[in-house]
Amino acid sequence: DTAVSQTPKYLVTQMGNDKSIKCEQNLGHDTMYWYKQDSKKFLKIMFSYNNKELIINETVPNRFSPKSPDKAHLNLHINSLELGDSAVYFCASSQDYSSYEQYFGPGTRLTVT
Amino acid sequence: KQEVTQIPAALSVPEGENLVLNCSFTDSAIYNLQWFRQDPGKGLTSLLLIQSSQREQTSGRLNASLDKSSGRSTLYIAASQPGDSATYLCAVGLGGKLIFGQGTELSVKP
Repeated sequence: DTAVSQTPKYLVTQMGNDKSIKCEQNLGHDTMYWYKQDSKKFLKIMFSYNNKELIINETVPNRFSPKSPDKAHLNLHINSLELGDSAVYFCASSQDYSSYEQYFGPGTRLTVT
Repeated sequence: KQEVTQIPAALSVPEGENLVLNCSFTDSAIYNLQWFRQDPGKGLTSLLLIQSSQREQTSGRLNASLDKSSGRSTLYIAASQPGDSATYLCAVGLGGKLIFGQGTELSVKP
């Protein structure tokens, strides 16, 4: 029944490692997003994809690479993890990218040690 | 550059009070405005979405207004309950993304 799901929920890893976070939505939406919530709880857009095409890359380091194998999935791969990457990463989706309501997943808490 | 500000940062009220949360934004060229609720350690729950052409939206005890010309939105919560305790986030929609405020942390005391 979950509309937007993410795995894993928690991720603890060491600096320098590579990790991936997966997101799936079963709402039939065309647009998916990744947001980052930092330690001060501030949420900021990272990427958005519409019909598997990247439409927003908000000056995120090249170590972050999103991949959308199909409209229902948007994965986030992070290379060479740094301490500053520790945050909660939220996936979201909407019917399209213009004026529709966004639905968020439960978040993935990434801790880099 | 669009900036979103929420005042107050934190609010504590006794149960039963009506309350207003404020959100302001610097650029009126928005597609929509969305209010969310976030419980500690949890994801975001969408409460209300107001399109740029609308003035307000209502859902149960919640009413959100939008005044694009002044760059303001308010979230009105009637007859607050302890279960309303959470962080409330305002976000403006600009093609392809939401820009968030810092949130108002609400505590409703029994």
